[in-house]
Formats: sequence, structure tokens, C-alpha cells
Amino acid sequence: AAGVIQSPRHLIKEKRETATLKCYPIPRHDTVYWYQQGPGQDPQFLISFYEKMQSDKGSIPDRFSAQQFSDYHSELNMSSLELGDSALYFCASSLKPGNYGYTFGSGTRLTVV
Amino acid sequence: DAKTTQPNSMESNEEEPVHLPCNHSTISGTDYIHWYRQLPSQGPEYVIHGLTSNVNNRMASLAIAEDRKSSTLILHRATLRDAAVYYCILRPYSGGGADGLTFGKGTHLIIQP
Repeated sequence: AAGVIQSPRHLIKEKRETATLKCYPIPRHDTVYWYQQGPGQDPQFLISFYEKMQSDKGSIPDRFSAQQFSDYHSELNMSSLELGDSALYFCASSLKPGNYGYTFGSGTRLTVV
Repeated sequence: DAKTTQPNSMESNEEEPVHLPCNHSTISGTDYIHWYRQLPSQGPEYVIHGLTSNVNNRMASLAIAEDRKSSTLILHRATLRDAAVYYCILRPYSGGGADGLTFGKGTHLIIQP
């Protein structure tokens, strides 16, 4: 079965650079969530989208923005990168908002040097 | 968000049942109880969720106390592949919003061969 696809798998950037992470949800899933997991930490919710509209917002820094496109894929844009942004970034998708389980991707490991 | 409390770690033997407890004394009437697990170097994985009645699926069973202030995730026959961090998460009924999950500390499950 198709899973949530994230790209790239690994990304190395320098401080103050920008990065764009992509997420392709499971076909027919119209809801996307972004999470950040720092080293040794638990996943932290950043932002979610339903039908291309922002739905919920967590602890997303102002330097980060995201959007969901007409084909339901989503991109997380990160600017003015800081060393503390080094983390695993997970995308999850679900079939419409509601009390369904989320399917997570394998994540993008961002390293800021 | 209502808070959950889980033991930091638990240890079990392979092929034996595992009972992972979760306390959520401040749960509200519309909170669903979700369980996710995260294997090393992977994204979180949905395990099971429920509201009031006990639930079973191919991965696990969820036993919910009558007062809903606690629940137990049951792995009927643990394997080495079940070694992971297990998260008990309360998710308010979304009412149409794509609310993010709030991950707590979770239980680190160790399986001994």
C-alpha cells in the first residue's frame, strides 16, 4: 500500500540558509500534519492543513511557513535556519479530519551546520 | 489539552503479553484515546484508538476503564519488533478541524529475547 512520501530524506544546510521539505500524502488523504522531533525529544506538532487551508497551528516558528497544494501535497518552508532547527521533520496524513489514525512518513533529517 | 501519564519504561519477555498503562484523569467526555508507537529511527505509527468501549485490531487491544480515567494498551504476544516508544494521546473530537496530536513522554518498551 502507498505510504506518506517525504523528500528529501536527508538535508544539510548552513546557518541562515533556507530549506524546503516536501510531503506527499496517501492517495485520497486530504489532511496533512507536520511535526518536528529534536534529538532525544518527542515529536512536536507544527501545523496542519485540510483541503488546502491551514487548520491548526502548534509551535511553529515564524521563520517557518507551509502550504498545501491542489494535489494535496504539502511543503514546509524554513528560512534563516538556526542550529537548533536540526531535527527530524515528519509529515502525517489522514482521511479528512476526524477521529482517524494518522499515517506518518519516514521523515526528513535536517542538519544545520 | 488534557494530559496523560505513562511509565518511563517497561520491560517484558518475548512471546509474553504486555500491558502498557496510561492515566488520563482529566479526560473530557469528547476526548478520544489514541495510541501510537515509534520504532527507532522511524516515524510514529498508529496503533489503536477508542472512546469508551474496549477496542481490538490486528496489532493490539485497548482496554478503557469505566470512568475513562485510565486505559491499557495490550500487546497479546510481544515480539522483538514491538520494542518501541509507546505514546498514549488524548485527542479532542475534532468537529471538522485537523487538530495536531500532542505527544507526551511515552513508555519505552524493552523486549527481552
